[in-house]
Amino acid sequence: QKEVEQDPGPLSVPEGAIVSLNCTYSNSAFQYFMWYRQYSRKGPELLMYTYSSGNKEDGRFTAQVDKSSKYISLFIRDSQPSDSATYLCAIQGGNKLTFGTGTQLKVEL
Amino acid sequence: DAMVIQNPRYQVTQFGKPVTLSCSQTLNHNVMYWYQQKSSQAPKLLFHYYDKDFNNEADTPDNFQSRRPNTSFCFLDIRSPGLGDAAMYLCATSRDSGQGGTDTQYFGPGTRLTVL
Repeated sequence: QKEVEQDPGPLSVPEGAIVSLNCTYSNSAFQYFMWYRQYSRKGPELLMYTYSSGNKEDGRFTAQVDKSSKYISLFIRDSQPSDSATYLCAIQGGNKLTFGTGTQLKVEL
Repeated sequence: DAMVIQNPRYQVTQFGKPVTLSCSQTLNHNVMYWYQQKSSQAPKLLFHYYDKDFNNEADTPDNFQSRRPNTSFCFLDIRSPGLGDAAMYLCATSRDSGQGGTDTQYFGPGTRLTVL
């Protein structure tokens, strides 16, 4: 079993839709949970991070962590074509970051 | 703006010809990382420096080496690139969180390596 599982997609949605991206993880010791956005042929860009369970909101983006079920989510409201990218969940334990494979998102006009 | 810079952005080398990729940072972070990312895959950690202390991942091939001459710079050397080493190489930095771990990692734009 991989430490972090993420559906690779691709996920295609119309502009304005609410997008839900999800990951599951296996190691309950993980404490920090991140979402990175990666545009084609670019490096990952930190989008949001949360510590432990709960929600965190930043503009159109909401990150959610449920440690009891080892499930993390990223919600994007009012999605825009500029949101088209690969979204990588990442989980940090100590100084090591473990990534999911990324979900490719396309927001169409 | 404080940032992580990688040069070159695109590198083409021949099979077996040594190549060096560079990373510099203006964030003054004490931890620097090198990742390999192949198409449609997650970034894979190759090694990291905690200050001057080098930490190699167990499954990183010996073909990959690294140098960190000072806080700001870190190099990835591939001694004899094979076709399977064609990938995006990502440099990242973070601060020491002071509890045996590190703060959030910030990534550079990556160097895309092509091996002919």
